[in-house]
Amino acid sequence: QKEVEQNSGPLSVPEGAIASLNCTYSDRGSQSFFWYRQYSGKSPELIMSIYSNGDKEDGRFTAQLNKASQYVSLLIRDSQPSDSATYLCAVNTGRRALTFGSGTRLQVQP
Amino acid sequence: DAGVIQSPRHEVTEMGQEVTLRCKPISGHNSLFWYRQTMMRGLELLIYFNNNVPIDDSGMPEDRFSAKMPNASFSTLKIQPSEPRDSAVYFCASITSGGNYGYTFGSGTRLTVV
Repeated sequence: QKEVEQNSGPLSVPEGAIASLNCTYSDRGSQSFFWYRQYSGKSPELIMSIYSNGDKEDGRFTAQLNKASQYVSLLIRDSQPSDSATYLCAVNTGRRALTFGSGTRLQVQP
Repeated sequence: DAGVIQSPRHEVTEMGQEVTLRCKPISGHNSLFWYRQTMMRGLELLIYFNNNVPIDDSGMPEDRFSAKMPNASFSTLKIQPSEPRDSAVYFCASITSGGNYGYTFGSGTRLTVV
């Protein structure tokens, strides 16, 4: 079992819709969780962090964490074509270094 | 703030040659990480340093890979001899130690070994 799992996609949504990206992790001791966005040919860019159960909102982005289910999600409201990218889930598993999922490719159709 | 600076941006080399990748972390960041990204394996941690000391090098694939951090503002990742399977994008990232914050990544070095 991979430490951090994501559906590779592509996830295709129409412009203006809500995109829902999901991630599961295996280490129950994980303490911090991050979402990165990576455009093709570019480096990962941090967009959200979450540390406690529940929702955290930042603009059009909402991160959701459920430690009991070992599940993290990212919602993108009012999706725009510029949101088309690969979204990486990253988890601090206690090794003091982030472990990344393989990423979900999001396509927002104009 | 210039961000994390990596060089070169692209490197094409022949199998068997030595390759050196360079990284300058953000000033004040005292943890530095080297990751490798491929389509097949995604982002993999190779090694990380805290206060210039290597903490976890369990991700270094084999003895052909070595990394150093001689001071707080510079790190190198060396591959000797290089092989075609080393072709990947190599990212350096830094963070303030002790913080549970996301990393800042450099622009990466795209390595092609032919």
